[in-house]
Amino acid sequence: AQSVTQLGSHVSVSEGALVLLRCNYSSSVPPYLFWYVQYPNQGLQLLLKYTSAATLVKGINGFEAEFKKSETSFHLTKPSAHMSDAAEYFCAVTGRDFGNEKLTFGTGTRLTIIP
Amino acid sequence: NAGVTQTPKFRILKIGQSMTLQCAQDMNHNYMYWYRQDPGMGLKLIYYSVGAGITDKGEVPNGYNVSRSTTEDFPLRLELAAPSQTSVYFCASSGGIAGGRSLDYEQYFGPGTRLTVT
Repeated sequence: AQSVTQLGSHVSVSEGALVLLRCNYSSSVPPYLFWYVQYPNQGLQLLLKYTSAATLVKGINGFEAEFKKSETSFHLTKPSAHMSDAAEYFCAVTGRDFGNEKLTFGTGTRLTIIP
Repeated sequence: NAGVTQTPKFRILKIGQSMTLQCAQDMNHNYMYWYRQDPGMGLKLIYYSVGAGITDKGEVPNGYNVSRSTTEDFPLRLELAAPSQTSVYFCASSGGIAGGRSLDYEQYFGPGTRLTVT
């Protein structure tokens, strides 16, 4: 079984500041990890994914995340926040084998950008 | 490529009414999913399918039914609508696993259906 914990349901940062959204996972099997973004009144869009290649994963819109097995973490970062980054962000985990391939989502973090 | 499409976008139901939420994908994906999203709760899996004719329950299946007669379509049926089913519903698809070989775990989401039951 897999689970995801996102620390902080709301995060506010100033425009141009570092964005850090936290995600910790629990998995009994080697995981795949994902970050999705949801803009208001839209569906979810994939930001980036970890599938056991490089532990530092780069995604769209300047976001990246680092898989740290020792810390069971997959935190999302962006060096400089932009107003267009305001959205809700979801971390998700899945196992890799048949029967464990369903995504389990965190409860989400709403990111607000302060002008 | 339209990706994943959902209809309707919005619907208001009275308690006890029935309806079907439609979902279709044109990416030839094996796996399809239905989620509901409630404020502050993330996404909860209702039902999923690993291929035509095969469906299984997710985390919150009560009050819903699904069928998968084709690879492309995965409708979600609400038989007796209740206020607790007021939510935003998302359909998604992924390549999944076929023939013992993993294909693509990334899930592609539709735009959602906002359902209100009063």
